[in-house]
Amino acid sequence: GAVVSQHPSWVICKSGTSVKIECRSLDFQATTMFWYRQFPKQSLMLMATSNEGSKATYEQGVEKDKFLINHASLTLSTLTVTSAHPEDSSFYICSARGQTIVDEQFFGPGTRLTVL
Amino acid sequence: AQSVAQPEDQVNVAEGNPLTVKCTYSVSGNPYLFWYVQYPNRGLQFLLKYITGDNLVKGSYGFEAEFNKSQTSFHLKKPSALVSDSALYFCAVRDSGSYGGSQGNLIFGKGTKLSVKP
Repeated sequence: GAVVSQHPSWVICKSGTSVKIECRSLDFQATTMFWYRQFPKQSLMLMATSNEGSKATYEQGVEKDKFLINHASLTLSTLTVTSAHPEDSSFYICSARGQTIVDEQFFGPGTRLTVL
Repeated sequence: AQSVAQPEDQVNVAEGNPLTVKCTYSVSGNPYLFWYVQYPNRGLQFLLKYITGDNLVKGSYGFEAEFNKSQTSFHLKKPSALVSDSALYFCAVRDSGSYGGSQGNLIFGKGTKLSVKP
């Protein structure tokens, strides 16, 4: 299947700093990218959906000013956690999908964020 | 509203025995159904999908799933479990009538932990 990469795979930062996570589709053009958050032993919670060149659509309860998403190209999306706090510590997973609704979503390996 | 239910938090199977991980769904239109597997501290790996056609779908690593429209189910199965199959399994659905924005995304079940003992 297609490959989606995430960088970094883990990051530790101090409270109040900002962290950027990159998501790349390596061998296909991702029309749509998704960002999920996963708490321990829980399912994935969709945070936002982004289409290339458009503003991201955020799910209810997700602060768009805190979780900045940029989908600048068909192969790259970034999630920036601004002014991170300990409660933002989580496993963040990106996913990319091709052009049609029948396409499966391919997932990145995830980024473990720990805010001290 | 779309939803997915995985009624079992955990499934325990002995190696070599058949396994079933249950999934039921609810959508307003025709469902697109998916199974993913997640190993510890990793992202999700695609196993198989049902879009249309044959109700029995074969996927990666010897897994298969049967679409049952009358029971709105899409149970994941494998004839002979391996210890290496131990992981977290997620069923997901996408409504064929939805597209674009968050409506085009997958809705996940809460996951079922599969434990295969030697």
